[in-house]
Amino acid sequence: AQTVTQSQPEMSVQEAETVTLSCTYDTSESNYYLFWYKQPPSRQMILVIRQEAYKQQNATENRFSVNFQKAAKSFSLKISDSQLGDTAMYFCAFMKPWNFGNEKLTFGTGTRLTIIP
Amino acid sequence: KAGVTQTPRYLIKTRGQQVTLSCSPISGHRSVSWYQQTPGQGLQFLFEYFSETQRNKGNFPGRFSGRQFSNSRSEMNVSTLELGDSALYLCASSLQGREETQYFGPGTRLLVL
Repeated sequence: AQTVTQSQPEMSVQEAETVTLSCTYDTSESNYYLFWYKQPPSRQMILVIRQEAYKQQNATENRFSVNFQKAAKSFSLKISDSQLGDTAMYFCAFMKPWNFGNEKLTFGTGTRLTIIP
Repeated sequence: KAGVTQTPRYLIKTRGQQVTLSCSPISGHRSVSWYQQTPGQGLQFLFEYFSETQRNKGNFPGRFSGRQFSNSRSEMNVSTLELGDSALYLCASSLQGREETQYFGPGTRLLVL
């Protein structure tokens, strides 16, 4: 079974600074999909970024980028120029390819990020 | 496009009762997945439906069931509620459910007394 580990339960950073959230995972598959979701106090789960394992290029989405290290099974999220609205719980998630017959997301335990004004 | 909607948003039940939660996916999405979120267990997969068929199921007791209608709307039912069923229930939809990004609804917060 796949596992996703987020070793930082809580982090805080000053507004406008850069912060990196860590995520490691365990899988025997060579192809898979990785996601970062944020869950603000409203509890709505919002997609931040997605990475396909077969793509070597790291995904980016405006101020959000990932550092995907396939061999190390590491998938960290970097938030640049952090804003107050980035305050949220961040979840790293893993999905196997569809031909394995399991479309579910496996989530890590989350990192609570607080942006300090 | 409207996002995923879930009703009701909040629910209070007592032990032994049953509850039905509803989820309407994004227009055109045919796959609906359900997740339970609790402080102790985190986010856990319940089941996934596609074209009115349950395609995947997580490790939950038979008290948890679901269904999907021809318009892709989905319901989940929990019978004989237990205190431990208190949780945020999240629904997510995707186009076909295969290797695709899942988009989440706002959740239904269930409190069992």
